[in-house]
Amino acid sequence: AQTVTQSQPEMSVQEAETVTLSCTYDTSESNYYLFWYKQPPSRQMILVIRQEAYKQQNATENRFSVNFQKAAKSFSLKISDSQLGDTAMYFCAFMNLPPSGSRLTFGEGTQLTVNP
Amino acid sequence: DADVTQTPRNRITKTGKRIMLECSQTKGHDRMYWYRQDPGLGLRLIYYSFDVKDINKGEISDGYSVSRQAQAKFSLSLESAIPNQTALYFCATSDRDRGGYTFGSGTRLTVV
Repeated sequence: AQTVTQSQPEMSVQEAETVTLSCTYDTSESNYYLFWYKQPPSRQMILVIRQEAYKQQNATENRFSVNFQKAAKSFSLKISDSQLGDTAMYFCAFMNLPPSGSRLTFGEGTQLTVNP
Repeated sequence: DADVTQTPRNRITKTGKRIMLECSQTKGHDRMYWYRQDPGLGLRLIYYSFDVKDINKGEISDGYSVSRQAQAKFSLSLESAIPNQTALYFCATSDRDRGGYTFGSGTRLTVV
């Protein structure tokens, strides 16, 4: 079974600075998807970024980028120019390829606070 | 209207009571899921359904049951609620081929 580990329960950053959230996972599969989800106080689950394991290029979405190290099974999220609205719980998640996969396995979460 | 609707949004119930959490979707997805969120544990899969006739247990199914009444409806039941089932519950759907998820807004359940 796959496991996902987020070793930082809480982090804080000053507004406009850069922060990196860590995630490691364990799998015997060679192809899979990795995700970062954001959960603000509204508790809605919001997809931040998605990485396909067969793609060597790191995914980027505006201020959010990942550092995907497949051999090390590491998938960190970098948030640049942090904004107050980035304050949220962040979850790393793993999925085997659909259609036979599709179940998400989540990490424990990292509570990020952006300070003014 | 939301693509995935969960009812109720919040619920307080007593130990031993039966309770049903409901989920409906307009995404047209075949695949539906129930997850439970606890502090420090992330989200864990309770049950999932890949179509109306396919129901599967997740990693923490004990004490729960589900019903897939139609492609668009997937309900979660707690037959006899206990305090350690106090949690935030999420319903989600996914696209069969690309795996993209859509989450409901969650049901916060408190068992006293």
